[in-house]
Amino acid sequence: DAGVTQSPTHLIKTRGQQVTLRCSPISGHKSVSWYQQVLGQGPQFIFQYYEKEERGRGNFPDRFSARQFPNYSSELNVNALLLGDSALYLCASSRGQGDYTFGSGTRLTVV
Amino acid sequence: DQQVKQNSPSLSVQEGRISILNCDYTNSMFDYFLWYKKYPAEGPTFLISISSIKDKNEDGRFTVFLNKSAKHLSLHIVPSQPGDSAVYFCAASATSGTYKYIFGTGTRLKVLA
Repeated sequence: DAGVTQSPTHLIKTRGQQVTLRCSPISGHKSVSWYQQVLGQGPQFIFQYYEKEERGRGNFPDRFSARQFPNYSSELNVNALLLGDSALYLCASSRGQGDYTFGSGTRLTVV
Repeated sequence: DQQVKQNSPSLSVQEGRISILNCDYTNSMFDYFLWYKKYPAEGPTFLISISSIKDKNEDGRFTVFLNKSAKHLSLHIVPSQPGDSAVYFCAASATSGTYKYIFGTGTRLKVLA
């Protein structure tokens, strides 16, 4: 079975640009969450979606947005990129609540 | 405000011995706790979880202990193997709210052969 797949794996963007990160959950999983992991820190919660509805939002600015599609895949968008947005962005999926399975992440570098 | 703390950034253990990783939390609303393992260039991998109605959960070589009064949990790995070398994250959630996990900063475990 395919795990959680994220694309792209690596990305370099310039300050002020916009970026879209993509995530395909494990088949049958209806919940997708996004996390940001800065070097040396644990993952920080950004969003959770369940059945295409936003169920939770972390302490991130409005430049961060996400959506979930009818096939349960998800996109994370970040506008007006800052140097501090450089991080590993992790997507995780679950059937409902708990025991999320994480993807390998997208490494975003903002220069 | 770090609600989940892993105060030991690194730990070295001899192969075959016990590894004990510790985690403290401050939010009394947390009622579900997990441990994830992370290798470089991979996403975190779920290891073991425990609900607040229990004080111990065991899965093979991995055991998690929860002390609610002390707001402390620990992960025991017995016996430790070189393949266990990774960064271990403790995470907590309050299941009555959004199903978000609050992660600690991680402990890098090195198992020496």
